[in-house]
Amino acid sequence: NAGVTQTPKFQVLKTGQSMTLQCAQDMNHNSMYWYRQDPGMGLRLIYYSASEGTTDKGEVPNGYNVSRLNKREFSLRLESAAPSQTSVYFCASRVRQGVNEQFFGPGTRLTVL
Amino acid sequence: ILNVEQSPQSLHVQEGDSTNFTCSFPSSNFYALHWYRWETAKSPEALFVMTLNGDEKKKGRISATLNTKEGYSYLYIKGSQPEDSATYLCGGHSGSARQLTFGSGTQLTVLP
Repeated sequence: NAGVTQTPKFQVLKTGQSMTLQCAQDMNHNSMYWYRQDPGMGLRLIYYSASEGTTDKGEVPNGYNVSRLNKREFSLRLESAAPSQTSVYFCASRVRQGVNEQFFGPGTRLTVL
Repeated sequence: ILNVEQSPQSLHVQEGDSTNFTCSFPSSNFYALHWYRWETAKSPEALFVMTLNGDEKKKGRISATLNTKEGYSYLYIKGSQPEDSATYLCGGHSGSARQLTFGSGTQLTVLP
């Protein structure tokens, strides 16, 4: 039981390049989330998927797109990376929206030059 | 988006000291409050999820209380140990929002 996995762990991009961050969970959770973590700002929600087939914007969605590929997988795409997107990205999942704890992946450290 | 605030931003204590920190949130339309422990170079792990006014939860030397009427939660650590050094995050969830909003965290350092 791997929990929440993320790939890659580290990535360096040049401004304007695109990439997709992958997230998968094996806990049969319905809800999945993408956060970014910046110094002094805690975790900010980028996008979430309350259930398979739905996605919604969070607090900071600009410059990102997401795909809920199936119940297990939720990917985050940067179409044209900018230095402001340099951050650590965390994927999380939980059983469903409501009073349930979230389980986090190990994070992806992204640097945009 | 819920406005969740944590204080203090950082805290240094000696091994063996007890400590506490605060999470504040709007009391109207409150739904749930989460506490997470986040060690450096790891990912956040859930400590408590609390919903009812007056809730008290405990896990080992760590406990938390919730006051939904005045909009705050306290996290207490009794007899701090160096391994308690971490950032403690709280997240608030209102009835109308389906996602958590996190505070910026309290960074605790326990000195041996």
